Amino acid sequence: DIVMTQTPLSSPVTLGQPASISCRSSQSLVHSDGNTYLSWLQQRPGQPPRFLIYKISDRFSGVPDRFSGSGAVTDFTLKISRVEAEDVGIYYCMQATQFPFTFGPGTKVEIK
Amino acid sequence: EVQLVESGGGLVLPGGSLRLSCSASGFTFSSSWMGWVRQAPGRGLEWVAKIKQDGSEKNYVDSVRGRFTISRDNAKNSVYLQLNSLRAEDTAVYYCVKDQRASYWGQGTLVTVSS
Repeated sequence: DIVMTQTPLSSPVTLGQPASISCRSSQSLVHSDGNTYLSWLQQRPGQPPRFLIYKISDRFSGVPDRFSGSGAVTDFTLKISRVEAEDVGIYYCMQATQFPFTFGPGTKVEIK
Repeated sequence: EVQLVESGGGLVLPGGSLRLSCSASGFTFSSSWMGWVRQAPGRGLEWVAKIKQDGSEKNYVDSVRGRFTISRDNAKNSVYLQLNSLRAEDTAVYYCVKDQRASYWGQGTLVTVSS
């Protein structure tokens, strides 16, 4: 199975300031079809996860443009350009290149 | 609007069985892979199983293979997860998800395996 790791596991941020989360996979996420199936999800307290970004950098419908994804092969980053109060929660990276699809341990974003 | 509504969770004894259901609406169900993802209390996420549009392909994580069965009924816009030989470590909220991106999630249904 592909193991996903994230750093940091906790990220206290000031409102209006940027936040960055790193995600690393134990092997390449480049699929045989040429795509890299790395996604980011957000889980607000008490809520199910919400899909944010697909294939490294494609924002899903309705996701604010302050969220952006980047990276390649085994190293990926989620950036929030200016953190808002509604961004508090746990962020997971997920690989869907090889089944079983696997998730990172999550990064908790909280307001300082 | 895409909606996924799970049901069927509850308290079950170790070794027991449950059948989870997910009713979908707001999209062409028969055109979408569907899956189940679980989250143990205070823990991370684990993709349990997925099923192809016509049910011809099913995939399971090793920890549930042989015990859980995923199925679907396109006429009823529903996907199911049969849980057999349940263990304490299967205790989790089970989420129904749309497609292999997990682009939409239901609210989840809690399965508690305990004596």
